[in-house]
Amino acid sequence: ETGVTQTPRHLVMGMTNKKSLKCEQHLGHNAMYWYKQSAKKPLELMFVYNFKEQTENNSVPSRFSPECPNSSHLFLHLHTLQPEDSALYLCASSQGLDTYEQYFGPGTRLTVT
Amino acid sequence: GQNIDQPTEMTATEGAIVQINCTYQTSGFNGLFWYQQHAGEAPTFLSYNVLDGLEEKGRFSSFLSRSKGYSYLLLKELQMKDSASYLCAVRDSNYQLIWGAGTKLIIKP
Repeated sequence: ETGVTQTPRHLVMGMTNKKSLKCEQHLGHNAMYWYKQSAKKPLELMFVYNFKEQTENNSVPSRFSPECPNSSHLFLHLHTLQPEDSALYLCASSQGLDTYEQYFGPGTRLTVT
Repeated sequence: GQNIDQPTEMTATEGAIVQINCTYQTSGFNGLFWYQQHAGEAPTFLSYNVLDGLEEKGRFSSFLSRSKGYSYLLLKELQMKDSASYLCAVRDSNYQLIWGAGTKLIIKP
């Protein structure tokens, strides 16, 4: 059983909508990550938080806005998305940034219409 | 640029052995990872190599050659449940994971 949960599991939204994805980890980890996974493409790292502080923003468009209120919770706020943003959004956590194993949540399947 | 290459898809027979290759070009090297991802599920950690050689863990083994920028994942005694995508990832000098696109492994009876 994964110690990382994500809600919702599926989301369909229009381009003018605002929605948020939620991730929670129950592992006591200090680092959390947002990834985008598109079909037949490598996982794309979007954001990294370590001890609630953002340490990485890999040139992600501003229509994606992360929030990390504490080490256990991570949000991804979405607004005015494009159809090409449709993908699986995965959250992961690790004990630290240099820890070798990341634990992934089940993902949110996002469809932008 | 940084790049991870692995075959898109492979097919193997139940009970057989399959080797999934991964080659990489990255800015620095701080370890290579293999993850398994079943369709519709989260990736799960399989193995980690930071030194050259073979790491064995049950039916799965992972090999690394840093001088060649090469790794492989070896799966023995294949079972139907091994049908999944296998993701290769390298941690670069900034401790960021660079991911391959994954190899979809299809197991046939």
